Amino acid sequence: NAGVTQTPKFQVLKTGQSMTLQCAQDMNHEYMSWYRQDPGMGLRLIHYSVGAGITDQGEVPNGYNVSRSTTEDFPLRLLSAAPSQTSVYFCASSWTANYGYTFGSGTRLTVV
Amino acid sequence: GQQVMQIPQYQHVQEGEDFTTYCNSSTTLSNIQWYKQRPGGHPVFLIQLVKSGEVKKQKRLTFQFGEAKKNSSLHITATQTTDVGTYFCAGRTGTASKLTFGTGTRLQVTL
Repeated sequence: NAGVTQTPKFQVLKTGQSMTLQCAQDMNHEYMSWYRQDPGMGLRLIHYSVGAGITDQGEVPNGYNVSRSTTEDFPLRLLSAAPSQTSVYFCASSWTANYGYTFGSGTRLTVV
Repeated sequence: GQQVMQIPQYQHVQEGEDFTTYCNSSTTLSNIQWYKQRPGGHPVFLIQLVKSGEVKKQKRLTFQFGEAKKNSSLHITATQTTDVGTYFCAGRTGTASKLTFGTGTRLQVTL
């Protein structure tokens, strides 16, 4: 099993550019989430999904869009990148709310 | 919204000393999970606690869930250099689907 795969691992964007961070899992997990991690601020929830076709906002959703057309994939779209979006982004998945999350290895994004 | 705080933010111990991190939620939690993140790595799930007053052990690690289900702790006995990393608690409220992470405690262990 590959687990949770995130691509790319590193990305540099210019302010105003858009891009999609990819996340795929092969464990047939229903729950998937996107978190961003900034120094001293822990992990903050951006968006999450409890199954294909169902998404909802987390604590910091502004500037990001998600969709969940399949169980396996949960891409995160940055609409117009800003320097404040410089961060490490983690995708995670789990069977249900009663199971621990499996995290991907992260995408380190820098917006200049 | 729900807030989950951890103390201390950082602790530096000598190998062999004990370590404890505390997690406090502003609301009652339905369950609490603990994760460990090594430097440069991603969070790795350690354990989940569900019941009020629950205590679970994993080798040198002891996890507790408070009676009111608003706080939790992780205690490491006789730390080793392999324990270095940041420890996060994460909780859910009611039937909420989203998992809120605490601010984390960074543990440094030196010989």
